[in-house]
Amino acid sequence: NAGVMQNPRHLVRRRGQEARLRCSPMKGHSHVYWYRQLPEEGLKFMVYLQKENIIDESGMPKERFSAEFPKEGPSILRIQQVVRGDSAAYFCASSPDRANRNEQFFGPGTRLTVL
Amino acid sequence: AQTVTQSQPEMSVQEAETVTLSCTYDTSESDYYLFWYKQPPSRQMILVIRQEAYKQQNATENRFSVNFQKAAKSFSLKISDSQLGDAAMYFCAFTSGTYKYIFGTGTRLKVLA
Repeated sequence: NAGVMQNPRHLVRRRGQEARLRCSPMKGHSHVYWYRQLPEEGLKFMVYLQKENIIDESGMPKERFSAEFPKEGPSILRIQQVVRGDSAAYFCASSPDRANRNEQFFGPGTRLTVL
Repeated sequence: AQTVTQSQPEMSVQEAETVTLSCTYDTSESDYYLFWYKQPPSRQMILVIRQEAYKQQNATENRFSVNFQKAAKSFSLKISDSQLGDAAMYFCAFTSGTYKYIFGTGTRLKVLA
């Protein structure tokens, strides 16, 4: 059973460009969580999604950031018009059904560098 | 607000020795989960050990064990017989039955040969 997959592992963008980060949850998992890790900090919650639904986006910046988890395909975290402060590692985690949502399995992360 | 505090930015240990990493947390919940994650230079988050708050017995995984003091809201990680491969950032994390994990700022562990 493959773990949580994230791609790309490394992404370089210039200021003003768009960044798209992808996350494929573990097989059978329908809950996805995105976290951001700024340099020298711990991970911070951004958004929680189930298939086709955003459950909680309280940790997402109000502008330029969006997330989706379509019926088919991976979850996408999209950052429009990136700025240098968006440089960070972005982690995706997934969990099985709601009853087990305390156990989250983390992907390897995507390191975003904004030039 | 729920918080997790790791007061040791960096720790060093001699190979084969024992080291303890500290973590304190603040919550008004009675049912919650605590975790220690290891993050090597690859940045992959690796679950080291997990503790359910309702369990009085301290969790143990091979060379890794915790000292869970619920009243003091303390959750320290002990690594015995330290190995070079243990060198990494270690994060303490908390969740109170919701989906949000709250992480501390991490402790960088150096293992000296």
